Amino acid sequence: EAQVTQNPRYLITVTGKKLTVTCSQNMNHEYMSWYRQDPGLGLRQIYYSMNVEVTDKGDVPEGYKVSRKEKRNFPLILESPSPNQTSLYFCASSTGSTRAFFGQGTRLTVV
Amino acid sequence: KQEVTQIPAALSVPEGENLVLNCSFTDSAIYNLQWFRQDPGKGLTSLLLIQSSQREQTSGRLNASLDKSSGRSTLYIAASQPGDSATYLCAVKYNFNKFYFGSGTKLNVKP
Repeated sequence: EAQVTQNPRYLITVTGKKLTVTCSQNMNHEYMSWYRQDPGLGLRQIYYSMNVEVTDKGDVPEGYKVSRKEKRNFPLILESPSPNQTSLYFCASSTGSTRAFFGQGTRLTVV
Repeated sequence: KQEVTQIPAALSVPEGENLVLNCSFTDSAIYNLQWFRQDPGKGLTSLLLIQSSQREQTSGRLNASLDKSSGRSTLYIAASQPGDSATYLCAVKYNFNKFYFGSGTKLNVKP
């Protein structure tokens, strides 16, 4: 079954404690990206990757890092999380011209 | 700056009614446009994808149209059912990997 898998689904952490949210896709898609969804602001792109070792900033990249060492994986790293990064995060993948597949989301709370 | 607007923000209809959701975008040089469905606490599910060269796409009771010149897309849902209750998001792509999302229309179909 074609899918994008994010882990964890829920995470509560404290300010400053480094964390990683994993994302994996099984469709051999070139393009992967991360979004955050906040009430009243909708979905905003954080980072995207066009292929292995190729990443670029989206609209709200501050405080986040990504890596793309393998085609299937695109982890999101928060080196020093802050409360304003409390949000619902989605990973997505596509071939570019076809439908995008989204993960189930990771609800992050930073206290 | 590309902006995507969805109207109405919320809609409540009785079961069986046909309905139209609207999406407008400021820059007509789009790559493609997708309609997504989001259920509470869940990820996004792609419903329909319209390439920039197409005028409409159909899937079951859903029909999406695209008018690039006027910067508009509509999602038509025929014979609505309670299971259609969800938030519907319009996403416009301007290059290979970046979506701009509308804020969504929250649909409630009453039995």
